[in-house]
Amino acid sequence: QKEVEQNSGPLSVPEGAIASLNCTYSDRGSQSFFWYRQYSGKSPELIMSIYSNGDKEDGRFTAQLNKASQYVSLLIRDSQPSDSATYLCAANTGNQFYFGTGTSLTVIP
Amino acid sequence: GAVVSQHPSRVICKSGTSVKIECRSLDFQATTMFWYRQFPKQSLMLMATSNEGSKATYEQGVEKDKFLINHASLTLSTLTVTSAHPEDSSFYICSATREGNSPLHFGNGTRLTVT
Repeated sequence: QKEVEQNSGPLSVPEGAIASLNCTYSDRGSQSFFWYRQYSGKSPELIMSIYSNGDKEDGRFTAQLNKASQYVSLLIRDSQPSDSATYLCAANTGNQFYFGTGTSLTVIP
Repeated sequence: GAVVSQHPSRVICKSGTSVKIECRSLDFQATTMFWYRQFPKQSLMLMATSNEGSKATYEQGVEKDKFLINHASLTLSTLTVTSAHPEDSSFYICSATREGNSPLHFGNGTRLTVT
């Protein structure tokens, strides 16, 4: 069973703080990893892709991948109320995508 | 970025009727398309995977005769909910990807209400 696990939260952070979202995956054959943001009532939106060990930064977002530990994380710096959403972690193995159940983030003004 | 268009965004139909949902990849050729269903406050549930020109692969518990999927070209897949019932009311989301390690791109979803 290929699994992706996330802490469901909810995670609450004050505005301006760093939000840290974590994800683990079970299949060592997974090649690529993605973070999606899903607002209530909307479909998921891709915000980050990461393919190799280390950090990848895009604006206020930083994705981190550690294949040895099978761990992916997403850091959101200077969190804004508009970042309040559910964040989904996904792993791609052989063109099959495995999603975590999502972490609900609330940024408190 | 890659764009996936899904229509209609919202549909209300009467019990017993059929509803067709279209999913198009607008600026890339999608080797694989996925159909998901999501109930309120629940996780995405994969319904089926479709590849152009071949039959869809359905997840366990998803009735293939009720949820007809056609992937006629590299840019178009359709989901038809046949003989819809109120319990089929849900948020249906299509997604598409290129080959290799490309990400999955989602359509905006279709909110189906069966009365």
